[in-house]
This record gives sequence, C-alpha cells and structure tokens, in this order.
Amino acid sequence: GDSVTQMEGPVTLSEEAFLTINCTYTATGYPSLFWYVQYPGEGLQLLLKATKADDKGSNKGFEATYRKETTSFHLEKGSVQVSDSAVYFCALLINNNDMRFGAGTRLTVKP
Amino acid sequence: DTAVSQTPKYLVTQMGNDKSIKCEQNLGHDTMYWYKQDSKKFLKIMFSYNNKELIINETVPNRFSPKSPDKAHLNLHINSLELGDSAVYFCASSPAGLAGARRETQYFGPGTRLLVL
Repeated sequence: GDSVTQMEGPVTLSEEAFLTINCTYTATGYPSLFWYVQYPGEGLQLLLKATKADDKGSNKGFEATYRKETTSFHLEKGSVQVSDSAVYFCALLINNNDMRFGAGTRLTVKP
Repeated sequence: DTAVSQTPKYLVTQMGNDKSIKCEQNLGHDTMYWYKQDSKKFLKIMFSYNNKELIINETVPNRFSPKSPDKAHLNLHINSLELGDSAVYFCASSPAGLAGARRETQYFGPGTRLLVL
C-alpha cells in the first residue's frame, strides 16, 4: 500500500549546520507530499508541501523538492538554528484525503 | 485565533472509565479527522468524517467512536479505557469532502495527551 519512509533519528546537529532529512514514498497514484513539524509539547504544524512532480515547497528556510523519478521528498535547510529542534514528519496524501505519515525524525540542534 | 482546537489538553484517568475529547474547527472545513500518536511518535489515522460519510480505520477498537454534533465539531468518545489507549490524540480538518480525487492540506489541533492509569 501507499506509504512513506523517512530516515531514522535522532539527528543532532550544531547550530548553522546543513540539514537533510530523507523521505521516500511508495504510491500507486500521484500523491501530494508534505512535511509537518512538531515542536516540543505542541501539535503538528504544516511546514511545506508540494502537489506535483518537480514542485518545490519552501518555508522558514526549509525546502523540499518532489522528485518523481526517485520517489523522494527530502527536507533540507542550509543553516539550522536551535529553535528548529523538533520532530519532523514526512507525509503523503492520496485520494479521499487519506494521509499517511512517516515515523518522524527528531532533530536536536545544539548551540 | 485558533483554527483547530482540542479540549482537554491533558487527560489523566483510570482504566475502565469512559471519556470524551472535544475538537472544534473554525476554518469552515468539510472534513475532520482523528489521529493517534503513540509513544514512538508514529501517527495513525483513526477516523475520517464529514456529515455524509464516516471512514473508520479497521484497526481501531469499537470502544472508540466519533460524534459530530455539527460540521465544526468532531468529538472522540472512548469507552472502557485501557492502558494501551495512552497516547496523544490529534484532531485535524481539511476543506474537501471524502469522496473524489481532491487532495487538501490537513490542519491539526494541538493534541490531547491521554494517560490511562
């Protein structure tokens, strides 16, 4: 079935380091792809999304490009901050609003 | 203004009790959802619902039931709580209905942390 696989955490980086969190998907159709972020003690917030191949979603310095040829939607940020420490979820949305989430990747950024 | 709100934020209760978690959205969305996030942060859909259609994840015990007094509310009622029900429960909403090929972003509430003792 349709699913998302994201890299296992936790990921620990120093401030201003480059971040990549890998996400690959399996889908029979043409899903929309999302990254959600969950800050400590809070709910899920939409970070960015892409609805078709080659689209690039971006927000708060984060970017992800929908790559159909590699079925990937990797999350990147050029320079992370302590405030980026959170759990990041890759998700895909197929027909009928059925959303599938990855397992989440915990990011800790140290000063 | 909060788009999707849940109450209570924290809920601690004894095994065997019946409890409800409330969800309200002021976005005018057609469809609402309940998700369960386990201790490993994995999110799983429990229900998808609009005023015409309910889709239930077949793995959800029938002790769980969604109740919708109106389009803006979808409450989660849980009977005979068990230790394994301890988790964070998230409500979400999206503009589109359940049928058809439309795919709309889902907006999440802050979560309700349930602890069953």
